[in-house]
Amino acid sequence: ETGVTQTPRHLVMGMTNKKSLKCEQHLGHNAMYWYKQSAKKPLELMFVYSLEERVENNSVPSRFSPECPNSSHLFLHLHTLQPEDSALYLCASSPIPGGIYEQYFGPGTRLTVT
Amino acid sequence: AQSVTQLGSHVSVSEGALVLLRCNYSSSVPPYLFWYVQYPNQGLQLLLKYTSAATLVKGINGFEAEFKKSETSFHLTKPSAHMSDAAEYFCAAIIQGAQKLVFGQGTRLTINP
Repeated sequence: ETGVTQTPRHLVMGMTNKKSLKCEQHLGHNAMYWYKQSAKKPLELMFVYSLEERVENNSVPSRFSPECPNSSHLFLHLHTLQPEDSALYLCASSPIPGGIYEQYFGPGTRLTVT
Repeated sequence: AQSVTQLGSHVSVSEGALVLLRCNYSSSVPPYLFWYVQYPNQGLQLLLKYTSAATLVKGINGFEAEFKKSETSFHLTKPSAHMSDAAEYFCAAIIQGAQKLVFGQGTRLTINP
């Protein structure tokens, strides 16, 4: 595998369910990101991790819980979501947070909350 | 606060015509600037980036963008549109030393045969 992979690609969950999104990067990067992409809204940065330490948390509701066990893996744990949380969740990585380095994106997980 | 504005949420051009997608930024210092493309059911892919070297930046697939400090703009162009260029395009900016990449709202490009 190369680049940034995300699983699952599609997820349908009820509001009382607990699920997790997984992201893995094979680029040797030290920074990883979660974004939310909703229709007709700009990409929203949710979390930034640098060397497994969370360095940015953009006022995200606690029903979203990130986890970064190592620099290659990033999870987003979901519980008691709301229908408005339905969106495309994108993971990205870069050599370090910010700066001149572009971010490499995974294909995303399409989440539908029923 | 830093912001990025893309004029036109939807642009439609004929195949072979010039593509022009507009992006303006707002920040107290010139930021690093990026253009990304997103094809259906895919993540974002970098087209090109400006990092304070040459003001005219060439990217993949025949795209280029010019940084104009006086106009706080970073418009994306391609001389001749191809059907495969149909996608969503995002302009993004980051201030030097910051960690947060700020995206514009995106522009959906449609190519007419």
